[in-house]
Amino acid sequence: GENVEQHPSTLSVQEGDSAVIKCTYSDSASNYFPWYKQELGKRPQLIIDIRSNVGEKKDQRIAVTLNKTAKHFSLHITETQPEDSAVYFCAATRRTAGNKLTFGGGTRVLVKP
Amino acid sequence: GAVVSQHPSWVICKSGTSVKIECRSLDFQATTMFWYRQFPKKSLMLMATSNEGSKATYEQGVEKDKFLINHASLTLSTLTVTSAHPEDSSFYICSARDLSLGDNEQFFGPGTRLTVL
Repeated sequence: GENVEQHPSTLSVQEGDSAVIKCTYSDSASNYFPWYKQELGKRPQLIIDIRSNVGEKKDQRIAVTLNKTAKHFSLHITETQPEDSAVYFCAATRRTAGNKLTFGGGTRVLVKP
Repeated sequence: GAVVSQHPSWVICKSGTSVKIECRSLDFQATTMFWYRQFPKKSLMLMATSNEGSKATYEQGVEKDKFLINHASLTLSTLTVTSAHPEDSSFYICSARDLSLGDNEQFFGPGTRLTVL
């Protein structure tokens, strides 16, 4: 089955700096890669996703890049703000696997004012 | 649109009792729902895939007789933790796919925090 590795496990940045989280996946057939933000005790919220036919996607301060050859994808947050502090999870899935999401281990991001 | 609710949001029960958690898609039909558990400071681990009108598919290592899943309608799936023990204490989250969208996105419920005394 799919295996998703996520790094780093914790990330502390100064407000206004950029944050980068990296994930690798094992199943070359995976074709959908969402990123979720989860605040303590809350549900995961989709912040951005990318499909395998696209190399990069951007939404305001958030961007995701995908390298299918290397089987890794990254989340980039620019101009970080204190409200960006949360746990971020990457995930991977493919339609032929019943769309089951395999999550990375999570990255705890702390944005220091 | 695409709202998923869970009930209860939290529950405390005694060891040996059973607890039922409901997951509802409020404004769309979900032929497939997923159940996850999440331990403190850990990632989400898929427990099972719930399919409307058929038996759930459990992930390896998940006891199907302990975690009973029923998906009786296109908007409701239930997870029953039978004979709960303290080690079952966790955050249980469901998600659902909107079949009409025809894509991969899953919408998550708010989660249910189970504490077994």
